[in-house]
Amino acid sequence: NAGVTQTPKFQVLKTGQSMTLQCAQDMNHNSMYWYRQDPGMGLRLIYYSASEGTTDKGEVPNGYNVSRLNKREFSLRLESAAPSQTSVYFCASSEARGAHQPQHFGDGTRLSIL
Amino acid sequence: QQQVKQSPQSLIVQKGGISIINCAYENTAFDYFPWYQQFPGKGPALLIAIRPDVSEKKEGRFTISFNKSAKQFSLHIMDSQPGDSATYFCAASIAGSARQLTFGSGTQLTVLP
Repeated sequence: NAGVTQTPKFQVLKTGQSMTLQCAQDMNHNSMYWYRQDPGMGLRLIYYSASEGTTDKGEVPNGYNVSRLNKREFSLRLESAAPSQTSVYFCASSEARGAHQPQHFGDGTRLSIL
Repeated sequence: QQQVKQSPQSLIVQKGGISIINCAYENTAFDYFPWYQQFPGKGPALLIAIRPDVSEKKEGRFTISFNKSAKQFSLHIMDSQPGDSATYFCAASIAGSARQLTFGSGTQLTVLP
């Protein structure tokens, strides 16, 4: 049982390049999330998907787009990468909307923008 | 704007000691307060959580104390061990869409052998 799988684990981009971060969960969870983690700032929500077919902005959505491809997969796209987007990105999933269910996190994608 | 404030930023404790991490919040609509533990190179994992209708929750060596009137909650790690060395995040969420979590800034705990 893999839980939440993120690919790639590491990536270096040049300013202006685009890329997609992939996330898949095998726990049949309804909700999925993308966070970025920066030193001294905790985890900040970029986008989330309450259920298949829906997506909503979080706290820091600018410069990102997401796609909930199906119930298992939720991708994050950087259309034109900027150095300010250098961060560690985490995907998470949880069981049900509106319930006190824990979020399960992947091990992150470490992204550097030069 | 940071809706959940966490302190201290870093903490060093001797093996066997008590580690205490504090969090404060402003939004009275928060109704769920989890703590996450993160080891280097890994994603955060749920450690323990509390709802505001109780003042304390204990799981093994980990205890959450909750003060609703002061809008504060804290994590106590009793008999701290070197294996507890990690980054700890408090968080809060509101009932409703997708249970979005608002995280504190994190505390890096080091337990010396």
